[in-house]
Amino acid sequence: QKEVEQNSGPLSVPEGAIASLNCTYSDRVSQSFFWYRQYSGKSPELIMSIYSNGDKEDGRFTAQLNKASQYVSLLIRDSQPSDSATYLCALPEGSGGGADGLTFGKGTHLIIQP
Amino acid sequence: DGGITQSPKYLFRKEGQNVTLSCEQNLNHDAMYWYRQDPGQGLRLIYYSQIVNDFQKGDIAEGYSVSREKKESFPLTVTSAQKNPTAFYLCASSMRQGLNQPQHFGDGTRLSIL
Repeated sequence: QKEVEQNSGPLSVPEGAIASLNCTYSDRVSQSFFWYRQYSGKSPELIMSIYSNGDKEDGRFTAQLNKASQYVSLLIRDSQPSDSATYLCALPEGSGGGADGLTFGKGTHLIIQP
Repeated sequence: DGGITQSPKYLFRKEGQNVTLSCEQNLNHDAMYWYRQDPGQGLRLIYYSQIVNDFQKGDIAEGYSVSREKKESFPLTVTSAQKNPTAFYLCASSMRQGLNQPQHFGDGTRLSIL
């Protein structure tokens, strides 16, 4: 079974700074990776997906993937208090690209300090 | 608006009782999923279905059952055999065709034991 590891935190970052969230995984064949944001008591919301090595930027968010090191990260620039949430890293179960479900890490709790 | 609707939002189960959680989607997605989330934990896959009238067990299927009679609907029954049912249950859906399709979640159902 695939394993997805995240530091549970809490990770405390000053407002306006860059928040860096990390995720490592055990399976070398995974082709896609997803970052979800989950506010307390709410359901996960997809914020980024990445499939190729390198960086992918979307607004204040940048996902970074290094398949050789089995490492994916999420950077949040100009952090805002509204970014305070738990961030979940996920990758597909099996080799079906996600059609067989996703394996999730336990999440990193991010706190943005005003 | 297109989306995934889960009901009820809160549900209480008595000892020895089966309860059914509803999940409906109008996104025309082929694949649907059920996850369970315990406090401070990531999501764990219970069951998934890629097409109508077919479904597969996930990592923690024991004590649960599902059906997929319509593309739009994927109800989950928590049976009396599930001895620790208290959790946050999340339904998700995605396009099955093509790799790396992200999953989108409903608002969830919180189940507790009376």
